[in-house]
Amino acid sequence: DQQVKQNSPSLSVQEGRISILNCDYTNSMFDYFLWYKKYPAEGPTFLISISSIKDKNEDGRFTVFLNKSAKHLSLHIVPSQPGDSAVYFCAASGGLTNAGKSTFGDGTTLTVKP
Amino acid sequence: DAGITQSPRYKITETGRQVTLMCHQTWSHSYMFWYRQDLGHGLRLIYYSAAADITDKGEVPDGYVVSRSKTENFPLTLESATRSQTSVYFCASSESRAGLAQYFGPGTRLLVL
Repeated sequence: DQQVKQNSPSLSVQEGRISILNCDYTNSMFDYFLWYKKYPAEGPTFLISISSIKDKNEDGRFTVFLNKSAKHLSLHIVPSQPGDSAVYFCAASGGLTNAGKSTFGDGTTLTVKP
Repeated sequence: DAGITQSPRYKITETGRQVTLMCHQTWSHSYMFWYRQDLGHGLRLIYYSAAADITDKGEVPDGYVVSRSKTENFPLTLESATRSQTSVYFCASSESRAGLAQYFGPGTRLLVL
């Protein structure tokens, strides 16, 4: 049973517009959520995170929103740039048995067209 | 160099051979992780370690062995490689507090013939 799901394998947006990447989770014990970005032939790099006690966290062009009741989070990129084209992974961690570990979604490939 | 490194970056081996993938980090992070990435499966946790001499299974541990005698090193061994272990392997490390980001190495691309 996949605990973290990214239902859209791919997303294409125009440069300058908003990119919205979505993630759903099933385990209510998760208390931290993270987004990673991955370019081809490189390892993932941390982008932004949010604690379950918050519903929004912002860092420059990147904002993560958390809806605990719906067990849903989203990453907004505004404005999108061609350099944002990458695979984005959602991850969740926390809970009594999960200390230190993260569970990853399958990723969404974002393409930003010039 | 500071950071997290993996070696080799590319490896071709044959079915049945033993292969060891190396991972080294310079931050003295407590936690270290091994993942494999296959098309359509995202990142799947193979093994992780909370500290030196403490290791535990992840989601897909079968066919793999790990050890952690020193904090900075976390080698992954495929005891008898199979074609299904053809994948990209990522090592990561993090500090011990929950919710902190993991820092990933550049990956090892393994092909088992």
